[in-house]
Amino acid sequence: QLVLTQSPSASASLGASVKLTCTLSSGHSSYAIAWHQQQPEKGPRYLMKLNSDGSHSKGDGIPDRFSGSSSGAERYLTISSLQSEDEADYYCQTWGTGIRGVFGGGTKLTVL
Amino acid sequence: EVQLVESGGGLVQPGRSLRLSCAASGFTFDDYAMHWVRQAPGKGLEWVSGISWNSGSIGYADSVKGRFTISRDNAKNSLYLQMNSLRAEDTALYYCAKGGCGGDCYIDYWGQGTLVTVSS
Repeated sequence: QLVLTQSPSASASLGASVKLTCTLSSGHSSYAIAWHQQQPEKGPRYLMKLNSDGSHSKGDGIPDRFSGSSSGAERYLTISSLQSEDEADYYCQTWGTGIRGVFGGGTKLTVL
Repeated sequence: EVQLVESGGGLVQPGRSLRLSCAASGFTFDDYAMHWVRQAPGKGLEWVSGISWNSGSIGYADSVKGRFTISRDNAKNSLYLQMNSLRAEDTALYYCAKGGCGGDCYIDYWGQGTLVTVSS
């Protein structure tokens, strides 16, 4: 079964960097994912598509501070030079065959 | 600029029906798959249903299969979600979302959502 696992929470200081992790379930390590950001009281926003080889393509207007990388079944979102507006929930998403979507449980990022 | 505007949400009693609509603009609608994603109060995102560019491939979450029906009208640049036999656990903000391709792939744009409340 295709499942995405995320840590519920993370924190980092203003101006620092943070690396969020999304783990694909066994047998699905070749899958691409997408990262989405949801700021408080707002709708989600697409950040990037991230392939298994670490290549990624970002959405419109996404700053260079956001980058992605991959290792095995793990997909990472790194945010550098953290700003207060980066405090948000971050979701990873993947898809199966036959139009089927899957979301991770989300990581709540706190900027200290 | 891609715009997705949902409508049709509201307060409905358990067991009743509701139809959501999504008006799309700013892209070639009939080139892309479309999805409905919901978020219950204080919870995470849950994929509900998706439809390919030509309606040839459709999928549903197990939680809504047999009760919800997704459809699209490419001539009207519109996406729909017919929700029947509504339950309290269907209460959520429902987002319309654009796929990054015509079939199975990621979501790359989101609407602002329409709130559905199921309560007696």
